[in-house]
Amino acid sequence: EVQLVQSGAEVKKPGESLRISCKGSGYSFTNYWITWVRQMPGKGLEWMGKIDPNDSDTNYSPSFQGHVTISVDKSISTAYLQWSSLKASDTAMYFCARYLGQGRMTWFDSWGQGTPVTVSS
Amino acid sequence: SSDLTQDPAVSVALGQTVSITCQGDSLRSYYATWYQQKPGQAPILVIYGPNKRPSGIPDRFSGSSSGNTASLTITGAQAEDEADYYCQSRDSSGKHVVFGGGTKLTVL
Repeated sequence: EVQLVQSGAEVKKPGESLRISCKGSGYSFTNYWITWVRQMPGKGLEWMGKIDPNDSDTNYSPSFQGHVTISVDKSISTAYLQWSSLKASDTAMYFCARYLGQGRMTWFDSWGQGTPVTVSS
Repeated sequence: SSDLTQDPAVSVALGQTVSITCQGDSLRSYYATWYQQKPGQAPILVIYGPNKRPSGIPDRFSGSSSGNTASLTITGAQAEDEADYYCQSRDSSGKHVVFGGGTKLTVL
């Protein structure tokens, strides 16, 4: 069974750094991109970016480029989403998902349970 | 603003058929994918490609597309179908993924 298990809830202060994780199991981790999706409180889904676990190649949404860093440690089948200086506006639920693409199709077939991040002074 | 536009809310009577639409220029080039999200849960994939359903998704869910509009149709809506539905595709450049704003489906 494909599973993506995310790290637990985080409460941080503005200006602090943070790294959250997403561990894949039940499949060959390096064969599928991992993507991150933000959902602010009461709002919709926003695509942040993706990473190829095989070579750490990344592709960021223009909205998130420069604001977050996506990385991976393929030796432990884990992807990361990182901030160097959090803002209150980073308060949201963050989901990782397995990303598949073929021709004109793009889909996320398996999702993590989500990591809630709260940034407040 | 999103490259993909969805109606914020749609309602359907129990057992009836409802279509949720998603509009965007990129849909002329790329397929829409549909996700269902219930409160407090992660999204789940319901339709991808021309009309593909992952295992475990009931066959009352189907997808279609015409021009710049993609549709998710639920034939015989059930109470458990009440949820938010999001379309997803690529942007016009093809380089990035985009989501629609989501549609809240109420089953009456």
